[in-house]
Parts: sequence; C-alpha cells; structure tokens
Amino acid sequence: DTGVSQDPRHKITKRGQNVTFRCDPISEHNRLYWYRQTLGQGPEFLTYFQNEAQLEKSRLLSDRFSAERPKGSFSTLEIQRTEQGDSAMYLCASNRRGATEAFFGQGTRLTVV
Amino acid sequence: GNSVTQMEGPVTLSEEAFLTINCTYTATGYPSLFWYVQYPGEGLQLLLKATKADDKGSNKGFEATYRKETTSFHLEKGSVQVSDSAVYFCALSDRETSYDKVIFGPGTSLSVIP
Repeated sequence: DTGVSQDPRHKITKRGQNVTFRCDPISEHNRLYWYRQTLGQGPEFLTYFQNEAQLEKSRLLSDRFSAERPKGSFSTLEIQRTEQGDSAMYLCASNRRGATEAFFGQGTRLTVV
Repeated sequence: GNSVTQMEGPVTLSEEAFLTINCTYTATGYPSLFWYVQYPGEGLQLLLKATKADDKGSNKGFEATYRKETTSFHLEKGSVQVSDSAVYFCALSDRETSYDKVIFGPGTSLSVIP
C-alpha cells in the first residue's frame, strides 16, 4: 500500500495524559498537513510542513499541541495534557509541490475519557 | 478569509433519484475546487476536481462544474445508488495564498434507500 498511513487508528486515553500520533506520507510527497475533524463537521486545518519546515500553524493548535517532521518524511502530532474537547478524528494528508489535490490517510480517532 | 459553504443535510433519496448538493465558496486568488467523499468508517477520498473556471470534474457518474461568476461548484449525479451513501465535502485549495492547504465545507450526509 503506497497511500498515506496513520498510526494508531484508534486511541482511548484518560484526561490529562499525553498522546502521540504518527503519519507516514506518500514517499515522494514533500508537503504534509494535519487536520482535525469533529463529529458532523468538515476537517479543520491544523498545521502544514514543507519538507521538515513547519510553515503554518492554525490558531486551533494550542500550546498543548506540537507537530514535528524531523527528516522531512514521517510526522508526529503530540497532544499534552489531553482534554475531553480534544476528542476527534486527526487526519494527515500529503502532496507534491504543484499538485492540486491532497491525499488523506484513514485518520486516528482519539477519545479522551 | 477563504471559506466553503454547502447545503445542509442529511439528504435522503430513493435509489435512481437525481442528486444535487450545492456548494459555494469565497476565496482570494484562483482556487482549485474539489469534492471529497467519506464512506462510513473510512478516510477521505477525492471524488473529483476542477482547477480553473468552466472546468467540469467528473468521476463515478458524479459531475461538478467550476462556475467563477457564481462562485459555485455544485455536485450532481443523475441516478444515485445505495452505495453512494456517504458524507460529501466540498473543498478548495488556493495555491496563491495558502500553501495548497485544503479548506473544507461542513459536509453533506447522503443516504440512499432502496
């Protein structure tokens, strides 16, 4: 499978715990995006990487959220001190520079209890 | 800022009925326009796209035409099937202002009954 891969698919955590998600983009894609999707809503942009550089962060990305893409390949999204409001589907997408559409992974569904 | 508005759901149709889901957008620059589909329990899939005014995107019997004068990109299908039941998202990507990030509408849930 050469699509965008996300791990884990599901995560249940207790409030206050830290969680980390991983995204492996399509191998030749230098652009990577994270989105958050809550129930009944469209995905909302969180952050964008071009290679290893994080070039844009949404206001939705509070201080408890951090994302990295250390070698310009896979990316991680960490949420510290999780809150119930963080419960959502976290989606990763990638594309090449100049491409018009992004390819999405299956997402990681986070439930904070 | 850039935004997408689409008709509220849920939409329920009988099999073989005609489908229209309205979508309008606000954007600076020259956006590409998309329809993504999300089947139950699955991730987002690109359904079709159009990159400039008057382009028509089509796939799996679905069509949408990029109308710059009305800033619209309505999704249509002549005869829906039960397997088309899903959530449909209209979206745009504005390369001149937003590093190709995709901005989504709220989604329209479609249920097709036999």
